[in-house]
Amino acid sequence: AQTVTQSQPEMSVQEAETVTLSCTYDTSESDYYLFWYKQPPSRQMILVIRQEAYKQQNATENRFSVNFQKAAKSFSLKISDSQLGDAAMYFCAYRRLIQGAQKLVFGQGTRLTINP
Amino acid sequence: KAGVTQTPRYLIKTRGQQVTLSCSPISGHRSVSWYQQTPGQGLQFLFEYFSETQRNKGNFPGRFSGRQFSNSRSEMNVSTLELGDSALYLCASSTGDLYGYTFGSGTRLTVV
Repeated sequence: AQTVTQSQPEMSVQEAETVTLSCTYDTSESDYYLFWYKQPPSRQMILVIRQEAYKQQNATENRFSVNFQKAAKSFSLKISDSQLGDAAMYFCAYRRLIQGAQKLVFGQGTRLTINP
Repeated sequence: KAGVTQTPRYLIKTRGQQVTLSCSPISGHRSVSWYQQTPGQGLQFLFEYFSETQRNKGNFPGRFSGRQFSNSRSEMNVSTLELGDSALYLCASSTGDLYGYTFGSGTRLTVV
């Protein structure tokens, strides 16, 4: 079974600085998807960024980028120019690359605090 | 375009009762998945419905069940509630392709 581990329960960063959230996963499959979701106090899970394992290029979305190390099974999220609105719980998630396999496996989450 | 709507937002029930939660997906989305979120266990997959059929099921007891209607709206039912069922229940919808989920804001269930 696949597992996802986020080793940082809490992180804090100064506004406008850069922060990196860590995620490792365990799988025997070679093709899969990885995601970072953000959950603010409103409770809604919001997709931040996704990465297809078969793509070597790291995904980027504006201030958010990932460092995907497939061999090491590592998938970290870098947030540049941190803003107060980035404060939230961040979840790393894994999904198999099989049509019909809709299940997401989540890590335990990292609570990110932005200090003004 | 309306998002994923979950009702009610909050619910308080007594042990032994049953509860039904509702999820209306984004228009055109045929897949609806349910997740349970608790401080201790984190986010756990309950089940997924696609075109009115349960396609995947997580490791939860039979007290947890669901269904999907022809308009893709889904309901989740929990019978004989236990204190441990207190959680945030999240629904996610997608077109059913390989990626692309949209989550609702969840239903906070408290069992007393």
